[in-house]
Amino acid sequence: QSALTQPPSASGSPGQSVTISCTGTSSDIGAYNYVSWYQHHPGKAPKLMIYEVDKRPSGVPDRFSGSKSGNTASLTVSGLQAEDEADYYCTSFTLMSIHVVFGGGTKLTVL
Amino acid sequence: QVQLVESGGGLVKPGGSLRLSCAASGFTFRDYYMAWVRQAPGKGLECISYIGNVIYYADSVKGRFTISRDNAKNSLYLEMTSLRAEDMAVYYCARVVGATVGYGMDVWGQGTTITVSS
Repeated sequence: QSALTQPPSASGSPGQSVTISCTGTSSDIGAYNYVSWYQHHPGKAPKLMIYEVDKRPSGVPDRFSGSKSGNTASLTVSGLQAEDEADYYCTSFTLMSIHVVFGGGTKLTVL
Repeated sequence: QVQLVESGGGLVKPGGSLRLSCAASGFTFRDYYMAWVRQAPGKGLECISYIGNVIYYADSVKGRFTISRDNAKNSLYLEMTSLRAEDMAVYYCARVVGATVGYGMDVWGQGTTITVSS
C-alpha cells in the first residue's frame, strides 16, 4: 500500500480536462509545499511535470497544472492530447525515512 | 544534452549480487544529489536510495544495497547484495532537485532491468 493515495485510473476525451488527486496526511502533503508529479510512459524514463506543488519545469506544456488544498494535491491536464496517455505519480517530501513518499500511480487514458 | 544512462542489469539468482552503474553527461555531476528509483512489475515507483552529503536508504534495501558515486567519472553506482525475488524491477537513476529527493527528480535514465530467478 502506497503512502499517498491516487485513483488507479482516470480518463477523458481529446480536448477535455481531467484532474488526478493525490491524498496524503498532515505529515507530508499537508505540511510541505513539495509535491511533485511525474509522467511515465511504459518503457520510457519518467518525466517531472510539476514540482513544488504548481511549478512547471522548462519544456512542460502549460496544459499541465498543479494545486494543493490541505492534505490533497491535484494534477490537472487541460486540452487532453493522445500523447498525455501515461501513468502519473505524485510524490511529497516527508521527514520520515527516505524523505519522499510516492502515490501508487494513476493510469490516464485518452478516449 | 543532459543525460543519464544506466547499465549493469541482468539475470541473477536469489541471494546473488549485482552492481548497477549510471553514467551522467551534459551537466556538472558533482553539483547534484543523485537517486536510485525502481519499479517492480505491475507496481509503482519506489525511491530506494539517494546520495548527497549524506546517504539514505529505504527500509526495503537497507543493509543489502550500497549507493556510491565517482565524481571524477561522472558516475553513480548501486551495489546490490542478498538479492530477493522482490528486488526484481526496472532500476532508474535520477538527478535530484535541491537537497532531497522529496523536492523532486528532474532528469531520469531509461532504466536497467534486474531479474531475480533461479
